Amino acid sequence: KNQVEQSPQSLIILEGKNCTLQCNYTVSPFSNLRWYKQDTGRGPVSLTIMTFSENTKSNGRYTATLDADTKQSSLHITASQLSDSASYICLDDYKLSFGAGTTVTVRA
Amino acid sequence: DVKVTQSSRYLVKRTGEKVFLECVQDMDHENMFWYRQDPGLGLRLIYFSYDVKMKEKGDIPEGYSVSREKKERFSLILESASTNQTSMYLCASSFRDPQNTGELFFGEGSRLTVL
Repeated sequence: KNQVEQSPQSLIILEGKNCTLQCNYTVSPFSNLRWYKQDTGRGPVSLTIMTFSENTKSNGRYTATLDADTKQSSLHITASQLSDSASYICLDDYKLSFGAGTTVTVRA
Repeated sequence: DVKVTQSSRYLVKRTGEKVFLECVQDMDHENMFWYRQDPGLGLRLIYFSYDVKMKEKGDIPEGYSVSREKKERFSLILESASTNQTSMYLCASSFRDPQNTGELFFGEGSRLTVL
């Protein structure tokens, strides 16, 4: 059973709008949780890493949060752009367990 | 910049053929990984290596083998390709650190179709 679950599986948003992606993990012990962005036909690229002691971290228009008590992380995209269309994948660093990803489509 | 290079972006092979997927990284990373990626299943770890001539099975090693003769090169081998091995294959590398939390750097992927 996958120890990292992501939701939603896919979403469509209009350019300029915000969206939030969810990642629930059950791996133990917890190490770090990373968010990757994967453009179509390309390899994933790291967006941000969340350590156990961090609650929030921003990388430009991307903001990741972590709640170690509920074992949930979220990735918030602000003022979406067409270039944000991609799959977003979360990874538990310790067990190297990937979620199945959320496919985001931004439409003009 | 770190560069992970996979030898072929697209391959088409026939059932029963032997297939080699090559991966080279230029950042002197100790760790190297092979994943396959299928819709709805995400990335699944096939094999990984933490050092030259060392290999460990991942979650789905059946039907695959690997070779790491040099630090920078990690090869994935399908001894006898089958149609259920049609997939996107991704190679990754990372530095080894004490907490095993190195960022993974991925190649562009090799899309294999087995007919």
